Amino acid sequence: QLQLEESGPGLVKFSETLSLTCTVSGGSITSSSFYWGWIRQSPGKGLEWIGNIYFSGVTYYNPSLKSRVTMSVDMSNNRFSLRLRSVTAADTAVYYCARWVRGAPYYFDFWGQGTLVTVSS
Amino acid sequence: SSELTQDPAVSVALGHTVRITCQGDSLRTFYASWYQQKPGQAPVLVIYGKNNRPSGIPDRFSGSSSGNTASLTITGAQAEDEADYYCNSRDSSGQNIVFGTGTKVTVL
Repeated sequence: QLQLEESGPGLVKFSETLSLTCTVSGGSITSSSFYWGWIRQSPGKGLEWIGNIYFSGVTYYNPSLKSRVTMSVDMSNNRFSLRLRSVTAADTAVYYCARWVRGAPYYFDFWGQGTLVTVSS
Repeated sequence: SSELTQDPAVSVALGHTVRITCQGDSLRTFYASWYQQKPGQAPVLVIYGKNNRPSGIPDRFSGSSSGNTASLTITGAQAEDEADYYCNSRDSSGQNIVFGTGTKVTVL
């Protein structure tokens, strides 16, 4: 069974960079059938897609976050990462990593448990 | 702002049927997928494609689509179905991914 686990600091200071890693187990990140994605959820709010990355490094980012987001893949360790620059209180959220099925129909089939990141001043 | 619109909340009597809708122009082109999220937990995929359920999802969950509207139906709702439900698809450009605004389902 595929498992995804987010890791990283739970507290980030205002204007600094949020960095999270998602470690994949039970399957290979280099599978051609999937993208790997980040989704976040602010307290009491809905889900917001941040971006997806393919193992080759191809990325798709939410236009509203594109100027601050970088995603990368570490194939040797079967994991992928998120960097979000210049954070503000609005970036406080639970961040989830998930697997996106590449061909139609499109969907996220496996999710990590999520990690809360709080932006503080 | 989300390009997929859902009713904020619906309620259903135990054992009855409830339909949750998701509206958006991109749904004329792409199927929606549906996720169940209980408090403090990660979302769980319940429906994808035309009307497909992942392994372990009860058959009381079903999906359908017509025009710009996708629907998730729970037939014979159980207490454990009380949760937030989100639809998900590509946006109108086909380049990005969007989630619906979410529907809170209360089982009375």
